[in-house]
Amino acid sequence: EIVLTQSPGTLSLSPGERATLSCRASQSVSSNYLAWYHQKPGQAPRLLIYGASSRATGIPDRFSGSGSGTDFTLTISRLEPEDFAVYYCQQYGRSPLTFGGGTKVEIK
Amino acid sequence: EVQLVESGGGLVQPGRSLRLSCAISGFTFDDHAMHWVRQAPGKGLEWVAGINWNSATIGYADSVKGRFTISRDNAKNSLYLQMNSLRAEDTALYYCAKDIGVVIVAFLAFDIWGQGTMVTVSS
Repeated sequence: EIVLTQSPGTLSLSPGERATLSCRASQSVSSNYLAWYHQKPGQAPRLLIYGASSRATGIPDRFSGSGSGTDFTLTISRLEPEDFAVYYCQQYGRSPLTFGGGTKVEIK
Repeated sequence: EVQLVESGGGLVQPGRSLRLSCAISGFTFDDHAMHWVRQAPGKGLEWVAGINWNSATIGYADSVKGRFTISRDNAKNSLYLQMNSLRAEDTALYYCAKDIGVVIVAFLAFDIWGQGTMVTVSS
C-alpha cells in the first residue's frame, strides 16, 4: 500500500501568516490522485483539494494544492481563525486508499 | 440538503458482530460510490471499505478484509457495513462518505461526510 507521510506534525502560526504543509508518498501517486482535508474538533473532515490542485466546492482561494509524483504541498496563503485544525492528505491512485497521519495547525 | 446519517454503533464484546447503516438524502445515491472511513479516538483517518454505484467494485483495507462486508441498497438509499469478529482495535468513530466521482469514475476523494457512529469493542 502507499504510505503517506505528512510534515510537520504540528505547525504553530499566527492568523494572517502563510502555512505550508507537506505530504510525501512512498510510491508515485498515479494521475496526481491526491486530496487534502481538514478536520476541526468534534466535526467530520471536509474536502479542500482533490486531484492535487483542484479546490472543492465552496473552498476559498487562500487554499491551494501543488505537487506531483511523490511530493505534494498544501498552502494556506493567509491563515484565518477558522483554519486552525488538523489537515490530512489522502491518495486514491491505488487501492487501498490511504491517508497521511495529519498535520495540526495551531495558533501560536 | 445533502445528508448522510450513520446509525448502528454501540458497545460490543470482542468476537461479536455489528451492522452499521448510513441513510442518504439530497443527492442521486446510485450515481456515486460510497465509503466507510473510521477514526480511532485521538487518532487519524483510516479508509475501511468502498463500493461503487452498482456494487460491482468493492474494496477493503487489509485490516478488515475477510471480517467486514460493505453493501448498498440503491432502492432504499442506504449503505451498510457488516462487521464480524470484532476486535478491540476496531474501536472507532465510523463515518459514511460520498465519493466525488460519478458512476463509472469511482474510488476517488470524499466530498460529503456524515457525522459518524461510534463503535466500541470491549469486554
